[in-house]
Order: sequence, then structure tokens, then C-alpha cells
Amino acid sequence: DVKVTQSSRYLVKRTGEKVFLECVQDMDHENMFWYRQDPGLGLRLIYFSYDVKMKEKGDIPEGYSVSREKKERFSLILESASTNQTSMYLCASSLGGGTWGYEQYFGPGTRLTVT
Amino acid sequence: AQSVTQLGSHVSVSEGALVLLRCNYSSSVPPYLFWYVQYPNQGLQLLLKYTTGATLVKGINGFEAEFKKSETSFHLTKPSAHMSDAAEYFCAFYGQNFVFGPGTRLSVLP
Repeated sequence: DVKVTQSSRYLVKRTGEKVFLECVQDMDHENMFWYRQDPGLGLRLIYFSYDVKMKEKGDIPEGYSVSREKKERFSLILESASTNQTSMYLCASSLGGGTWGYEQYFGPGTRLTVT
Repeated sequence: AQSVTQLGSHVSVSEGALVLLRCNYSSSVPPYLFWYVQYPNQGLQLLLKYTTGATLVKGINGFEAEFKKSETSFHLTKPSAHMSDAAEYFCAFYGQNFVFGPGTRLSVLP
């Protein structure tokens, strides 16, 4: 079974802090994704990566950056956390040599609260 | 433009009743179609998928979905709802890229 793990299930940070969310997958997937999920807005893609050191902006990249130094690990960085970044963050991975691949496998999510 | 619509942001059924969650898509290329389920405070779990071949697809937990190209639909059904089916359900497809629908919250009443 594919396993996608996220470093924290719950996280509380203060406004202005730099926040790192880590995601690791163990199935040698090429593609990795970061989404945020908010009530009434569904899943919104922040960034994705289709190879090591490659990244593409999704629909809402503002205020976020990402890092993919190793194939299995994809990090989401909030440079200066703000209260409007309070959300559920979901990481996913998929096979595929192209940009989007096939079905995505999700981690358990990180619920981030910024106070 | 590619899009996915799910009719009804919230659906309630009685335990033992038929579950029907609707999904329609718009795509210029043949799609791969998926249904995901999300239980509270968890990630999304793949229920079933259609890629090619048989248009009636069976998934986990007794769910199934039928791909109807002429109707551009991929509705999810289960003959008899169980309390444990209460969750949020997302339809998604992969055409030129991966697109998620807005989700339907399913409540199961005793």
C-alpha cells in the first residue's frame, strides 16, 4: 500500500512565524502535491512537483513556497504565517512521468492554526 | 475548460436507504474518473476509479459508480447506507490535469 505521511496532525503557530510542513511518500512516486482545504471551498492546489527540484504553482501559491530535494519528500513553507493561512493542509502523491499522473494518494492532513 | 460539478453540497439518507451522489464533468479529452471519501479530520481515501474498459466500477465499502459518456456523468451509488458511510465525498477526474469537485457531505440518519 502507498503510504503518505505528514509530519504533524495538528500545529499551532503564531503570526509571522516561519512554518514548515513536511510530507514523505514511500512508493517512489514522481508527482507530489500540496492542497489546502477550507469549508465550502473544497481542495485548492497550492503547489505541485513532478520531479526532484522541480515545482509548479497551483491555484493559490501566494504566501507559500515549496522544496523538493529528494524524491520522497515534499515540503511546504509558510514564510511568514498569517491568520488567513489557518486551514487543513493535505499532501498527495501519484505516479506519472507527465505533469499530473493518475490517482492521487493522500496523507492524513495537518490542521494548522495561526494565532 | 475542465470542471467537475457535484449536485448537492449536503445529502441526507436514512440508514438502509439507497445512496446516490451525483458527479458531472466537462473535459475535452477522455477522462480518468475517481471518487474519494474523507472521514472527519482525515485525508482523502480512494473509493474507486474508472480508467478504461467496463463502465460500471466497483469500489470499497460496497460503493459503485457508472461512467456514462453521453451524459458526462460518474454518479456514485450504494444500495444500502450504513452509519459508517457518513463522510464527505469528492469526485475527481484526470484529463489534461487533475480536477476535484467541491465535495458532497453525506449524512446517514438512524
